Parts: sequence; C-alpha cells; structure tokens
Amino acid sequence: AQTVTQSQPEMSVQEAETVTLSCTYDTSENNYYLFWYKQPPSRQMILVIRQEAYKQQNATENRFSVNFQKAAKSFSLKISDSQLGDTAMYFCAFMKHGTGANSKLTFGKGITLSVRP
Amino acid sequence: GAVVSQHPSWVICKSGTSVKIECRSLDFQATTMFWYRQFPKQSLMLMATSNEGSKATYEQGVEKDKFLINHASLTLSTLTVTSAHPEDSSFYICSARDGAGQETQYFGPGTRLLVL
Repeated sequence: AQTVTQSQPEMSVQEAETVTLSCTYDTSENNYYLFWYKQPPSRQMILVIRQEAYKQQNATENRFSVNFQKAAKSFSLKISDSQLGDTAMYFCAFMKHGTGANSKLTFGKGITLSVRP
Repeated sequence: GAVVSQHPSWVICKSGTSVKIECRSLDFQATTMFWYRQFPKQSLMLMATSNEGSKATYEQGVEKDKFLINHASLTLSTLTVTSAHPEDSSFYICSARDGAGQETQYFGPGTRLLVL
C-alpha cells in the first residue's frame, strides 16, 4: 500500500515571496505519478502540477515547480511570487500506473497555505 | 479541456429519503470515475471506484447498499445515497480519470449534502 505524508498542517507566506510545501511518500512501485492539487475556499479541486516518476526532469507550470527526489521519495512544491489567490489547501497525491481501481489517488492530509498581503 | 461537472451543487433532504448525485466528464471519455467524501479541513476519503459497464469497487467500510453507484456511460456516473440520515451529511466529490490523455484525474466541483 502507498502512503503520502504532509507533515506541515499550515504555512503562511508574504505576497510576492516564495514558499515550499513538503511531501514524502512510500511505495514499492517503480512506475507511478505524483500530483499537487489545490483546493481554494470554493472547494473545487484544481490540478496544480503533475510528475511522472520515470522522468528525471522536475515538472514546472508557470510559478509552480516541484523538486522530485525519487530515491528519497520526496516531492515538494515550490510556489514563486506568491499571490493572494494561492491561498488554499494543497494536497499531495500519488497514483500508481494502472487501470480501474488500481489508478486511485492516495492523498496526503493536506496543508493550509495562507498568503498575506 | 478536462472539465468535470457535478449536479446538484448542494441539496437538502429529509432523513429517510434518497438523493442522487450526477458526475459528468464534459470533454473526454472516462472509463473510470471516483467518488470521495470530504469533511471540513480534512483530506478526501475515497468511497468507491466507478467502472463503466461493470460493478463499482468499494473501499473498506463503505456500505454498498447505502451508496449505490452506476456508471452507465463513458461520461456519466451517479452516486445515490439511499435512506439518507444526518450522519451522511457531507461534501461529496467525484473525479474522472482521463486515461487517454495524461493519466490524470480531474475533479467535479462537489456536492454539499445536508440531511435533516
């Protein structure tokens, strides 16, 4: 079974600054995907960034980038130039390669990020 | 692209009645959809995996007869909460897996259920 750990329940960052959210996971799988999802107060889950385990290059989406360390089973999210709209709960998630129920997501507990004006 | 809709967005019902929630993938086909339950300030709890054309796979501890799932087409899955009770009040979220694309799950906006 897979586990995803987000050990920080809350973080706060000043607008325009950079913040890093940590995530570790445990799995015996070699082929899998990792995700960061954002859930703002509207509660709509929004995909932030996606990483395939077989790719060594860290994924980047505009102000969002990850530091994927496969050997250490670490997958942190860096948010640059933080904006007020980044205030949300962020979930790290793991999905092993497969179909049907085997492709279910395993979520961490989430971290509440507050961006201060 | 990759839009998932959910209907209704919120519902209030009396104890003992049944409530149906629909989840649709609007611009892609989803052979697999997932149903979650979420309590405030907590993570998503997977209830079941909905497979098009076959029976759903329920997570341990989830009552199959209480939470009926039907995945009748590649774009529609429904969750029916039967004989709802106040303890079923929660936020229910569905997701659809875009298996033909980038192996990613996209989420609906959620349904707030309040059982009186």
